[in-house]
Amino acid sequence: NAGVTQTPKFQVLKTGQSMTLQCAQDMNHNSMYWYRQDPGMGLRLIYYSASEGTTDKGEVPNGYNVSRLNKREFSLRLESAAPSQTSVYFCASRLDRGGWNEQFFGPGTRLTVL
Amino acid sequence: KNEVEQSPQNLTAQEGEFITINCSYSVGISALHWLQQHPGGGIVSLFMLSSGKKKHGRLIATINIQEKHSSLHITASHPRDSAVYICAVRSVGGGATNKLIFGTGTLLAVQP
Repeated sequence: NAGVTQTPKFQVLKTGQSMTLQCAQDMNHNSMYWYRQDPGMGLRLIYYSASEGTTDKGEVPNGYNVSRLNKREFSLRLESAAPSQTSVYFCASRLDRGGWNEQFFGPGTRLTVL
Repeated sequence: KNEVEQSPQNLTAQEGEFITINCSYSVGISALHWLQQHPGGGIVSLFMLSSGKKKHGRLIATINIQEKHSSLHITASHPRDSAVYICAVRSVGGGATNKLIFGTGTLLAVQP
């Protein structure tokens, strides 16, 4: 199993450009998450999807959109990138079917917006 | 004030030393996670616990629910333990997600 995969690993954008970060998991997990990690701050939840076909805003959703394409894939889109969106982005997934479910993280995407 | 506070923020140790990283939280939780992040790397879950103590190799995690406090201990530390250690709590009453709330991490450097 590959676990949680993310593409790309690195990206540089100019202000105003758009891009989509891709995330996929092969563990048949129900819930998927997008976080951003900034220096001096804990990971912050951007959006999450509790199940295929549903998405909800997290703590810092402004400037982002998401799509839960199917159970495996959860993409994050920046429609018009801003320097404030320079960050490391992590996708995560969790089985989330009662009981004791661990959260698994992808390797991260380092995004720089100039 | 952050809902999850870690101390220390930075820690330098000599190889072989016993290391303790602390985590205090102010919300009701269903579980607490300890995560490890290597430089330039992804995030790996070390422990998930809701009571008592768990041990995995040289790592030990404890939690005191009444005091809202957890500790991560590393025995016989090694340079390969150098990483950022992150405490995260799964809050109760946070809707369907039972969201994770993260501390800012403790940067550990173990010198040979």
